[in-house]
Amino acid sequence: DAKTTQPTSMDCAEGRAANLPCNHSTISGNEYVYWYRQIHSQGPQYIIHGLKNNETNEMASLIITEDRKSSTLILPHATLRDTAVYYCIVRVGPSGYSTLTFGKGTMLLVSP
Amino acid sequence: GAGVSQSPSNKVTEKGKDVELRCDPISGHTALYWYRQSLGQGLEFLIYFQGNSAPDKSGLPSDRFSAERTGGSVSTLTIQRTQQEDSAVYLCASSLQGDSDTQYFGPGTRLTVL
Repeated sequence: DAKTTQPTSMDCAEGRAANLPCNHSTISGNEYVYWYRQIHSQGPQYIIHGLKNNETNEMASLIITEDRKSSTLILPHATLRDTAVYYCIVRVGPSGYSTLTFGKGTMLLVSP
Repeated sequence: GAGVSQSPSNKVTEKGKDVELRCDPISGHTALYWYRQSLGQGLEFLIYFQGNSAPDKSGLPSDRFSAERTGGSVSTLTIQRTQQEDSAVYLCASSLQGDSDTQYFGPGTRLTVL
């Protein structure tokens, strides 16, 4: 799986949009971009994933650049409960199973 | 619907004792994964089940670690003769199938070996 690069930490004011960047310049054509987060002392939580089109669900939006070398996770209205470590992962598409490998992630701190 | 559940949530044991950790995946999910996460570290893959079979046990750190899955559902991770370096959070995840399907995690079991 391709390696990803994320900032170590970010701050966001409550109610504002949180934009979390991720670089994955070595991504292959069959690799998906996945985002998970881990709130302190809890298991990782799936957020969203995409291949090349932008995606949106009830939690977040995922913007993938046209060359697919980077992406941004957007939490449109951050709350205090969104404080967590956010992991950007790229993993292979349907050609067999793929385990998850988390890097250091981005520690997002949402403040009042 | 019900998510992945794990038990116990916390386990404190003495060095040399055996422990069993349980995972109940989401109903209907055929793929099940065990990971562990040490303090401040990322995820370490342990083992993967497709149904009751474990095609990939490559992450098990030693022969003291074993896992089984019965009825295509519940899985048990067993650690024999526990060591202090086994202390970690043990996470279980399940997915509908194995092929790149989204993995959903349980809350984990925090194992402390004294």
